[in-house]
Amino acid sequence: NAGVTQTPKFRVLKTGQSMTLLCAQDMNHEYMYWYRQDPGMGLRLIHYSVGEGTTAKGEVPDGYNVSRLKKQNFLLGLESAAPSQTSVYFCASKRTLLEAEAFFGQGTRLTVV
Amino acid sequence: GQQLNQSPQSMFIQEGEDVSMNCTSSSIFNTWLWYKQDPGEGPVLLIALYKAGELTSNGRLTAQFGITRKDSFLNISASIPSDVGIYFCAGRTQGGSEKLVFGKGTKLTVNP
Repeated sequence: NAGVTQTPKFRVLKTGQSMTLLCAQDMNHEYMYWYRQDPGMGLRLIHYSVGEGTTAKGEVPDGYNVSRLKKQNFLLGLESAAPSQTSVYFCASKRTLLEAEAFFGQGTRLTVV
Repeated sequence: GQQLNQSPQSMFIQEGEDVSMNCTSSSIFNTWLWYKQDPGEGPVLLIALYKAGELTSNGRLTAQFGITRKDSFLNISASIPSDVGIYFCAGRTQGGSEKLVFGKGTKLTVNP
């Protein structure tokens, strides 16, 4: 059981480049989330999805877009990367609204130069 | 927005010592979660608490849901080197929500 899998694990981008981070979960969870983690800031919610075909903004959505075309996948896109987007990105999923427990992927370390 | 105050920010302890950390909120929560993050890994769920006053253990870890619903505590007994990592609290507001609020973490260092 793989759980939550993120690809890639590491990436270096030049300012202005675009990229997509992929999150895949095999637990049939309804809810999926993208967070960024910066030193001293904890985990901040970027976007989330409450089901296939839905997306919503979190705490820090600017500069990012997301899509949830399939229930098991949640994509995070950076259209024009900026150095301020250098961070570690985590995807998480949870089964239902009533359950609070979220399960995390191993993270993607992104550096924008 | 909602904020969680997690303390202490960091701890340096000797192997065998007990550890305590806590989270407080300005809002009432109906769920508290405690996660541990090892270096280079994603957070892993340790304990989930659903009722005010609830005390739950997971091995050497014990967590409590505060009576006021605005705080939670995590204790680690007889620490070992593999306890090293960052511990996060997370909460969900009363009435249910699809979102969790996270504390900024407590970084634990255990000296052998």
